[in-house]
Amino acid sequence: QVQLQESGPGLVKPSQTLSLTCNVSGGSINSGDYYWTWIRQPPGKGLEWIGYVYYSGIAYYNPALKSRVTISVDTSTNQFSLKMNSVSAADTAVYYCAREGYLDPSLPSDVWGQGTMVTVSS
Amino acid sequence: IVLTQSPGTLSLSPGQRATLSCRASQSISSNYLAWYQQKPGQAPRLLIYVASRRATGIPDRFSGSGSGTDFTLTISRLEPEDFAVYFCQQYGISPWTFGQGTKVEIK
Repeated sequence: QVQLQESGPGLVKPSQTLSLTCNVSGGSINSGDYYWTWIRQPPGKGLEWIGYVYYSGIAYYNPALKSRVTISVDTSTNQFSLKMNSVSAADTAVYYCAREGYLDPSLPSDVWGQGTMVTVSS
Repeated sequence: IVLTQSPGTLSLSPGQRATLSCRASQSISSNYLAWYQQKPGQAPRLLIYVASRRATGIPDRFSGSGSGTDFTLTISRLEPEDFAVYFCQQYGISPWTFGQGTKVEIK
């Protein structure tokens, strides 16, 4: 059974870069069946799709965040990563990694990590 | 695409029927509309996808319906573990977007 686990700093200073990693266990990122996704949720608010990456390295981003975000994949470690630069307090949120269907595009995010809280503050 | 969920809060008793609405600002391609349940401190859990397909392991008291711009999640008889926040998501037109959520609380 596939499991996802986020890791990274819980505190980032304004204007710096947020970096998170998602470890995938119980399955292989390079199976080609899925996109690997990042989603965030500010405290007490709704969910925002950030973007996803395919095992080949091709990534797609939410236009609202595209200028600041990079999602990459490392098949050798079975991990994928999120980098967001020039962060501000508005980027304070729980960040989730998830998978969604590639071979079956009808499948949305069906497996999620537990989430990691990132606070942007000096 | 903007998704508007209603009501914001639904106050019901165990055993009652819950009906949650999700309305899209434009038609959702291929009816790629999903519903998630989220409990405090937990990640969302996929319940329904393609508007009406139940995800693996989801009890049949959860059902989804609708097409185009109007979608509904129905919980036929509320169990104590069903009191949570429910989000809809469209994944037919990029960027994927979520509704603001409906909280189902115990009356």
